[in-house]
Amino acid sequence: AQSVTQLGSHVSVSEGALVLLRCNYSSSVPPYLFWYVQYPNQGLQLLLKYTSAATLVKGINGFEAEFKKSETSFHLTKPSAHMSDAAEYFCAVTKNTGNQFYFGTGTSLTVIP
Amino acid sequence: NAGVTQTPKFRVLKTGQSMTLLCAQDMNHEYMYWYRQDPGMGLRLIHYSVGEGTTAKGEVPDGYNVSRLKKQNFLLGLESAAPSQTSVYFCASSYSGRVPSTDTQYFGPGTRLTVL
Repeated sequence: AQSVTQLGSHVSVSEGALVLLRCNYSSSVPPYLFWYVQYPNQGLQLLLKYTSAATLVKGINGFEAEFKKSETSFHLTKPSAHMSDAAEYFCAVTKNTGNQFYFGTGTSLTVIP
Repeated sequence: NAGVTQTPKFRVLKTGQSMTLLCAQDMNHEYMYWYRQDPGMGLRLIHYSVGEGTTAKGEVPDGYNVSRLKKQNFLLGLESAAPSQTSVYFCASSYSGRVPSTDTQYFGPGTRLTVL
């Protein structure tokens, strides 16, 4: 069963526009949540993570995400898209019962000049 | 620091052939992981290791074997390759594997494997 669901496998935004990438999790207890980015022909790198401290998490490159328990969501946002943000973004979760990561299917972000 | 490196970067196999993918990390991490990435399916965990000399199965372990003889190396083996194993393989490592894990995983650049 999928532990995280990423809505929208492809998202296109204009340069300078808001970036919103959606991630919903399924868990009976608050999980730990992560966003990773994968640039073309590279491995994944961590953007940010939620580990039950502040619900609004700031990451690298101007990205942030907000943990909303009532909505079981952890959406990734950036106020103004840059061409260099074009990449694939993965939401991931770890559960209290183990140390395995479960990745979403990914969202490919295209930034239009 | 080189971080996490993977060898080779590309490989083409014929059905039934065997091969070993090598992952090396120089960060003194305890935990290492092998994932496969397929279109529309994200990353799926094949096997992982919680320390030198240990291995454990992940979500999709069938058809693969692993070994962690040295802390810095994690090998992924395909004994008899099948076309269904055509994929991009990523190795990752993390400092620890606390339960639940909050440690960042550091990924290698990937190995693109095609099985004909």
